[in-house]
Amino acid sequence: GQNIDQPTEMTATEGAIVQINCTYQTSGFNGLFWYQQHAGEAPTFLSYNVLDGLEEKGRFSSFLSRSKGYSYLLLKELQMKDSASYLCAPMDSNYQLIWGAGTKLIIKP
Amino acid sequence: ETGVTQTPRHLVMGMTNKKSLKCEQHLGHNAMYWYKQSAKKPLELMFVYNFKEQTENNSVPSRFSPECPNSSHLFLHLHTLQPEDSALYLCASSQASGGASGANVLTFGAGSRLTVL
Repeated sequence: GQNIDQPTEMTATEGAIVQINCTYQTSGFNGLFWYQQHAGEAPTFLSYNVLDGLEEKGRFSSFLSRSKGYSYLLLKELQMKDSASYLCAPMDSNYQLIWGAGTKLIIKP
Repeated sequence: ETGVTQTPRHLVMGMTNKKSLKCEQHLGHNAMYWYKQSAKKPLELMFVYNFKEQTENNSVPSRFSPECPNSSHLFLHLHTLQPEDSALYLCASSQASGGASGANVLTFGAGSRLTVL
């Protein structure tokens, strides 16, 4: 079956760095997406990785290892507004997104 | 109006009512989606429309009936729902559906919070 595993909740301090891990098992693979969702709001696109390696976009970076079925989202210089849920979603061989339950990130001053 | 707009934002209905959720996108996208989001559960894909044609129906009960009159509008008609159908219903759109590219990036609406009594 298809499965996504990411931590349910993480806590970090303002100004610090946090890494949110995601491991996945899918039938085929066509890239992996990360979305951010603030409470009561729509999910918004953060990153898309289809090749191995690190993609950097400002304070956020996303890493992919296809052989290990592993990705992480790295958030630097954390700000209070980064408190949100982070959703990992690989795409399978049918181009279907397989969603994780999300990681709720709590930022403390 | 820009992006993806959903109405109503909140809806309370009884099990015998009939109501509809509306979604409109102003992005020129060709694919539209309905998702169900329940607390602490992964997003569940319900329906996909590509160029107004339904291309996906993920075994959704018939009490949920989608309608896509054009590529900018999507409806979800609701009738004889159950309390377990209470959830956040998210509409999304993308440039295309299928294909491993950035064209699959989803833009979501803010959602319609549905409570079934």
